[in-house]
Amino acid sequence: QQQVRQSPQSLTVWEGETAILNCSYEDSTFDYFPWYWQFPRESPALLIAIRPVSNKKEDGRFTIFFNKREKKLSLHITDSQPGDSATYFCAASEGYNQGKLIFGQGTKLSIKP
Amino acid sequence: EAAVTQSPRNKVTVTGGNVTLSCRQTNSHNYMYWYRQDTGHGLRLIHYSYGAGNLQIGDVPDGYKATRTTQEDFFLLLELASPSQTSLYFCASRERRGSNERLFFGHGTKLSVL
Repeated sequence: QQQVRQSPQSLTVWEGETAILNCSYEDSTFDYFPWYWQFPRESPALLIAIRPVSNKKEDGRFTIFFNKREKKLSLHITDSQPGDSATYFCAASEGYNQGKLIFGQGTKLSIKP
Repeated sequence: EAAVTQSPRNKVTVTGGNVTLSCRQTNSHNYMYWYRQDTGHGLRLIHYSYGAGNLQIGDVPDGYKATRTTQEDFFLLLELASPSQTSLYFCASRERRGSNERLFFGHGTKLSVL
């Protein structure tokens, strides 16, 4: 059972466009949602994260939009650059001290110059 | 920056073989994790631990044992390896600062079971 789902599986956008990556989850007790990115032949690394007290988190060109009622979130990458080409993972965890972090299956993003 | 070191980087074994993957972190983080990464499945949690002697079951634990011997060291054991366990394995430790959390990943161990 996939508790965190991502779509699309792969996405290609032109340089300068906005890429939108989607994520949904099942468990309403999840209260922390980080996004990790992974470049080819490298390890995943934290990109940006949000807690449900907010419905938006911004860091430069990267913005998370969060909809608690629908259990959905999305990552928007504005002014996409070729260097943004990577696999993006949405993740979720419950309870500040629980420690269990579950990842989605990832979205492979390609930016065409 | 937190350091997480995995060994070996690559491992080839045969079906039924015995394999131990090692992970060491040097930042005294409480939580450590073992994930496997497979195309189409993302990162799936095998086991995790919040301290020496503790073990928590993840989402895909079948066929795997794990042991946290010290704050620094977390091992993943495959006692009867099967071809379905061919995968890229990542170890990670968790840093927590206030309300922010971050996993630091090792470089990964590529395991092939023939």
